[in-house]
Formats: sequence, C-alpha cells, structure tokens
Amino acid sequence: EDQVTQSPEALRLQEGESSSLNCSYTVSGLRGLFWYRQDPGKGPEFLFTLYSAGEEKEKERLKATLTKKESFLHITAPKPEDSATYLCAVLLKRYGGSQGNLIFGKGTKLSVKP
Amino acid sequence: GAGVSQTPSNKVTEKGKYVELRCDPISGHTALYWYRQSLGQGPEFLIYFQGTGAADDSGLPNDRFFAVRPEGSVSTLKIQRTERGDSAVYLCASSLRSTGELFFGEGSRLTVL
Repeated sequence: EDQVTQSPEALRLQEGESSSLNCSYTVSGLRGLFWYRQDPGKGPEFLFTLYSAGEEKEKERLKATLTKKESFLHITAPKPEDSATYLCAVLLKRYGGSQGNLIFGKGTKLSVKP
Repeated sequence: GAGVSQTPSNKVTEKGKYVELRCDPISGHTALYWYRQSLGQGPEFLIYFQGTGAADDSGLPNDRFFAVRPEGSVSTLKIQRTERGDSAVYLCASSLRSTGELFFGEGSRLTVL
C-alpha cells in the first residue's frame, strides 16, 4: 500500500534554532514528491517539487532534499512567520503516465517562538 | 480574484440533508481536484477532473458523493443524505497540468449536526 509518513507530528523551535522535518514514503512508483505549507484556516500552499534522489531545492530559509526512501525539509534560522503545518505529498507513477492525485502525509506542525 | 474560489466558506447542515459545494478554479487551469481534510490529518483525495470529465474518481467514499464540471471550469461537489462523518473541510485545487503543483482554495468547512 502506498504510504507517506511525516515526523515529528509537532515541533517547537526557538527563533534561530535550525532543524529538519522528515517525510518517509513507501510507494509503488514515484513520479514526484511535493512539500506544501498550510496556515490555519487556509488551503495548502505549494513550496517545492523533487523528482529524483539527490535533488535539492531551496527557498529563503527552507531547503528540501530527496533520497530513495525519504525527504527532508531543512529550516535554517527559522522565524516566527515560518510557523505553519508542513505537508509532504507524493504523486504516483502509473503505467505509462502519472496518476493525477497526490497522497498526503498528516503533516508536521511547526511552532517558532520569538 | 486570481486564486481558487470556494463557496460557501462554512456550511452547517442537519444529518440527512443534501449539500452542494462550489469551486471556481484559476482561469485556464484544465485540471481540478477535490480533497477532504479532517482535523489533524492531511488532505485526502476525492476526485480529479481533466477538462469536463472525471479522470479519476477513486477517492469518492461512496455513492452519496458526486461531482460535476459541465463546462470545464466551475465544479460542484454534491453530497446526498449527509452523515456526521462527512464533517470536514472540503478543499478544491486547480493546476495547468496534472503535475502535482496544485493551487488550493481556502476550503469549505462542512459541519453535519
């Protein structure tokens, strides 16, 4: 069964305290791995797409990396405005084409205190 | 507006009633998705449209749920004989292609009493 697991469920950091969020996946065929940010009461907001092991993407204080079994979202010197739930999702490869839907993990709720 | 618009933002209904939730995607986006999100969970896929047709409806939980997109733009998610377990935030998203880079609306929060 295709599965996405995120850890930890919640993470509390002090402003400036760097850390990493984990997303491990067990899927039949990976087309892409995606990171989204979700603020309370809002829909998820796209951050990154990773397609192959070894790939890295960066945006401001965030850097996403991918291996064959997991992805990490590294947060460097976080600020209070980085507080949100971070969701990981996978897009599956299905015979000859991509399946259209994403499979999401439950997310990691990040709180950054000043 | 330039984003995905969903109405209503909140809907409270009684068990057994019929509900319609509307999604207006970003102009020009051919792919449209419905997801459902319960508290503390990630979004759960319901249905995916490519143009007017449902390309994948494997996530619809049962035949009480139905969605349409008659002109390839606005979509309506229809829920018959609502149950308390249907209470959740229903998210709509659109994209230019089925690449996984989705633009989500703010969701419609459904509460079934």
